[in-house]
Amino acid sequence: AQSVTQLGSHVSVSEGALVLLRCNYSSSVPPYLFWYVQYPNQGLQLLLKYTSAATLVKGINGFEAEFKKSETSFHLTKPSAHMSDAAEYFCAVSDSVPGTYKYIFGTGTRLKVLA
Amino acid sequence: DGGITQSPKYLFRKEGQNVTLSCEQNLNHDAMYWYRQDPGQGLRLIYYSQIVNDFQKGDIAEGYSVSREKKESFPLTVTSAQKNPTAFYLCASGVGTGREKLFFGSGTQLSVL
Repeated sequence: AQSVTQLGSHVSVSEGALVLLRCNYSSSVPPYLFWYVQYPNQGLQLLLKYTSAATLVKGINGFEAEFKKSETSFHLTKPSAHMSDAAEYFCAVSDSVPGTYKYIFGTGTRLKVLA
Repeated sequence: DGGITQSPKYLFRKEGQNVTLSCEQNLNHDAMYWYRQDPGQGLRLIYYSQIVNDFQKGDIAEGYSVSREKKESFPLTVTSAQKNPTAFYLCASGVGTGREKLFFGSGTQLSVL
């Protein structure tokens, strides 16, 4: 079974600083990987996804992630944090099961942006 | 507008009571999912369904039941056997290929009275 691990349940950065949120995956086959963002009391929205095309994936709101097979990582970055980036971020992987796929999520990283 | 709708937004359960959370989508998606979210534990899969009249248990199915009688609807019942039901419940749908994103509802917060 596939899984993802997010290192750091809470990350704080200053406004304008680099954002780096870490995600490592465990997969026996090339994975499909996703980053989602969740604002308080809401559902999740997709930031970006990796589906075996380019290893550097660009998403919405200036976020990007790089798939590194040698490190089994898919870290999320943004060059300059904005106050509106404060939210919880989830890494996810899709896992093939007979007849369909299920999606496995990490435990999440809450990003705090300091003025 | 196409989307996925969960209701109610807030729900309270008395001890020994079964409660049902509604999830409806008009995206024509085949696959639907229920997740439970607890602080610090991320999203844990309760049940999922690829087609009508078929569904599979996820990682934490005990104390929950579902049905998939229509493509658009995937209600979740939290039974009295679920001893710790307080959580935020999220429903999602997708095309079921694994390559595409999930669409999420806005969630239901269930609390115990």
